[in-house]
Amino acid sequence: DIQMTQSPSSLSASVGDRVTITCRASQSISSYLNWYQQKPGKAPKLLIYAASSLQSGVPSRFSGSGSGTDFTLTISSLQPEDFATYYCQQSYSTPGTFGPGTKVDIK
Amino acid sequence: QVQLQESGPGLVKPSQTLSLTCTVSGGSISSGGYYWSWIRQHPGKGLEWIGYIYYSGSTYYNPSLKSRVTISVDTSKNQFSLKLSSVTAADTAVYYCAREYQLHPYNWFDPWGQGTLVTVSS
Repeated sequence: DIQMTQSPSSLSASVGDRVTITCRASQSISSYLNWYQQKPGKAPKLLIYAASSLQSGVPSRFSGSGSGTDFTLTISSLQPEDFATYYCQQSYSTPGTFGPGTKVDIK
Repeated sequence: QVQLQESGPGLVKPSQTLSLTCTVSGGSISSGGYYWSWIRQHPGKGLEWIGYIYYSGSTYYNPSLKSRVTISVDTSKNQFSLKLSSVTAADTAVYYCAREYQLHPYNWFDPWGQGTLVTVSS
């Protein structure tokens, strides 16, 4: 299986901050990388697919970049509703594996 | 808009079989291009893909669980189901059903059901 890692595992930020989360794959996965947001007690919600494509209805402050093994999720200006845990997921090979998550909380 | 809803017992005894059903509304499970998946999340932990089924009945399971997992589909009821046998406390988790959307060559999980907590305990 392809192993996914994320950094940091958690971060504290303020409303309006620019936030960057990194995801790394154990081997090249081209652009087969998705990002999800999960709030407590809720199911994950798709934010970004194919590394950089914004899912319909997701605010434009979210963006994704990267290819190969290194990927980034950026929130350009953190909003109160963005405090959540973020997961990356590779879809290059089955089983699709998820990163361990990055928890974003209020500073 | 497609919605998914999990249902099934919230408590299962060790060594027994966990059985869950996912009901799909707002769209047909028989429409091509989608794989219908089960994913679980251990308490406070990350996400683990269990397996998927296509409406035709073809399946693919995570090798780590393959010997204990069966996923089936009932197109007449617009449902798909998960069975996990010989459960232990390590199978305690929130179980999600999700649609794996495919836009060649990429795929992703969207939407997800709300999830159901299954506890394995005597």
